[in-house]
Amino acid sequence: DAGITQSPRHKVTETGTPVTLRCHQTENHRYMYWYRQDPGHGLRLIHYSYGVKDTDKGEVSDGYSVSRSKTEDFLLTLESATSSQTSVYFCAISEGRNTEAFFGQGTRLTVV
Amino acid sequence: KNEVEQSPQNLTAQEGEFITINCSYSVGISALHWLQQHPGGGIVSLFMLSSGKKKHGRLIATINIQEKHSSLHITASHPRDSAVYICAVLGRADKLIFGTGTRLQVFP
Repeated sequence: DAGITQSPRHKVTETGTPVTLRCHQTENHRYMYWYRQDPGHGLRLIHYSYGVKDTDKGEVSDGYSVSRSKTEDFLLTLESATSSQTSVYFCAISEGRNTEAFFGQGTRLTVV
Repeated sequence: KNEVEQSPQNLTAQEGEFITINCSYSVGISALHWLQQHPGGGIVSLFMLSSGKKKHGRLIATINIQEKHSSLHITASHPRDSAVYICAVLGRADKLIFGTGTRLQVFP
């Protein structure tokens, strides 16, 4: 199994509070991704990183920011959580753009 | 219309049956992934393919680039195969586009 860990695995937070999710990898892969999974939708890309300090937006990036100060860690921050951000969040890693992707176990976030 | 469509959405089978899950896409791709997601669990990569066919154990994945179609087959299905199977294509700008998944239940 690829070494990829998400934390926390579950979180309940109040509307308006900031939340940070962490993705940690031990594979030294260059690419890291944050997706959200909602009923009726396929996974949707929030942000991704192609190297330390190199990040770009995905299709549903509004309300989210990311940071990657080390190869192994990719942080997703909800600056001011809203109920529409209640979702399951998955981190993924890959060696290159066109290589197999490995996914974390997911973080279930509930915003009340 | 979604760029990646899977069928069926839900599938029920008896143990031992041969199962086929289909994926059609409408964009140009460089590769296609098949993923498996167990209830409450993470997502596991099963196959990545860009042409032809791949086999791993009882799982077989095929792709027809001209027809923009891929199939995932499970031979001799087992209750432990019960999961959601997700098709994802690597489209332009090297971004993965995901289908909504096929929920498979295999009963003993």
